[in-house]
Amino acid sequence: AQSVAQPEDQVNVAEGNPLTVKCTYSVSGNPYLFWYVQYPNRGLQFLLKYITGDNLVKGSYGFEAEFNKSQTSFHLKKPSALVSDSALYFCAVRVRRYGNNRLAFGKGNQVVVIP
Amino acid sequence: NAGVTQTPKFQVLKTGQSMTLQCAQDMNHEYMSWYRQDPGMGLRLIHYSVGAGITDQGEVPNGYNVSRSTTEDFPLRLLSAAPSQTSVYFCASSPGTGGSQPQHFGDGTRLSIL
Repeated sequence: AQSVAQPEDQVNVAEGNPLTVKCTYSVSGNPYLFWYVQYPNRGLQFLLKYITGDNLVKGSYGFEAEFNKSQTSFHLKKPSALVSDSALYFCAVRVRRYGNNRLAFGKGNQVVVIP
Repeated sequence: NAGVTQTPKFQVLKTGQSMTLQCAQDMNHEYMSWYRQDPGMGLRLIHYSVGAGITDQGEVPNGYNVSRSTTEDFPLRLLSAAPSQTSVYFCASSPGTGGSQPQHFGDGTRLSIL
């Protein structure tokens, strides 16, 4: 099945330390990959995407992600975490079904940045 | 600069009642979709639409209907509410239908079925 997996339920990191949120994918063909962030009582907000090209993708709020085809991974990173980065993070992949496109989301990772 | 607007924000229903969750976008996006979000399960696609007059089922369509009579509006109807439909519902839209553009999300409708 075409899907993404986010293996950790929660990621705890001290403020100022590097932040990594893991995502692996399973999809036939070339993947379209996305990261979204959700703050409490809000909808998801787009952070960045990988469609083609450079494996290192830069996005909003200082986040970046590295596409690794051999490891089928698309981990989200931030060099120095802020308390305001505490939120729920979702990885997603485009799925093609009967000629139509839709997104399959992972279950999400809660990130807690400790002051 | 409204983006995707969902109404209502909160709703409590009794088992067996029906209701419609409204979704409107002002960005002229072709693609619209409905998701439900449940703890530990991420977002699951209920129904989606690639343009006015065209809808299709997602992963969890049972108990829900949709229609797309205009580009702007994509309402979700619960036919006969069940406690298993207690969830947070999100509507989203994106330009084009190729899947390369990010989706824009509303702030959700929090629905409780008693």
